[in-house]
Amino acid sequence: GENVEQHPSTLSVQEGDSAVIKCTYSDSASNYFPWYKQELGKRPQLIIDIRSNVGEKKDQRIAVTLNKTAKHFSLHITETQPEDSAVYFCAASKGYSTLTFGKGTMLLVSP
Amino acid sequence: DTAVSQTPKYLVTQMGNDKSIKCEQNLGHDTMYWYKQDSKKFLKIMFSYNNKELIINETVPNRFSPKSPDKAHLNLHINSLELGDSAVYFCASSLGTGISGANVLTFGAGSRLTVL
Repeated sequence: GENVEQHPSTLSVQEGDSAVIKCTYSDSASNYFPWYKQELGKRPQLIIDIRSNVGEKKDQRIAVTLNKTAKHFSLHITETQPEDSAVYFCAASKGYSTLTFGKGTMLLVSP
Repeated sequence: DTAVSQTPKYLVTQMGNDKSIKCEQNLGHDTMYWYKQDSKKFLKIMFSYNNKELIINETVPNRFSPKSPDKAHLNLHINSLELGDSAVYFCASSLGTGISGANVLTFGAGSRLTVL
């Protein structure tokens, strides 16, 4: 089955800096890669996703890049703000099958 | 209107007891899930139902029994609770299988179970 590795497990940045979270996956047939954000005490929520027919997708300050050859994808957050502090989960799936999640990255943005 | 609602939000109980968590979604989704999130924040899938039929049953002790009376509801019953069952349990739903958006998850707010 699919295996998703996520790094780093924790990431501390200063407000205004950029943050990058990386994930690798094992199943070359996987073609859907979402990112979920979970604020403290809240539910995980989808923030951005990418399918394998594109290499990059942006939504304001967040972007996701995908390298299918290397089987890795990354979340980029620019101009970080304290409200970006949360746990971020990457995930992967093949077609429309159930997601396999990474173990999460706790992002701390200091004012 | 809450899209995926689960009750109770908090549950504190003694070892050995039996408890249930209920989940309902009003999104018209065909697929529902239970995830367990432990203290390390790892989201582990437990079960998945599509239109009341069990489609995923991960390696979960048989003390955990899901029940789906209809496609809008997926309840989780836990027998003989153990300390290691303490976690946050998230219900989620998605459109269905084999269609676009099928694996976009909408999560409930979570139910924090504490076993003493």
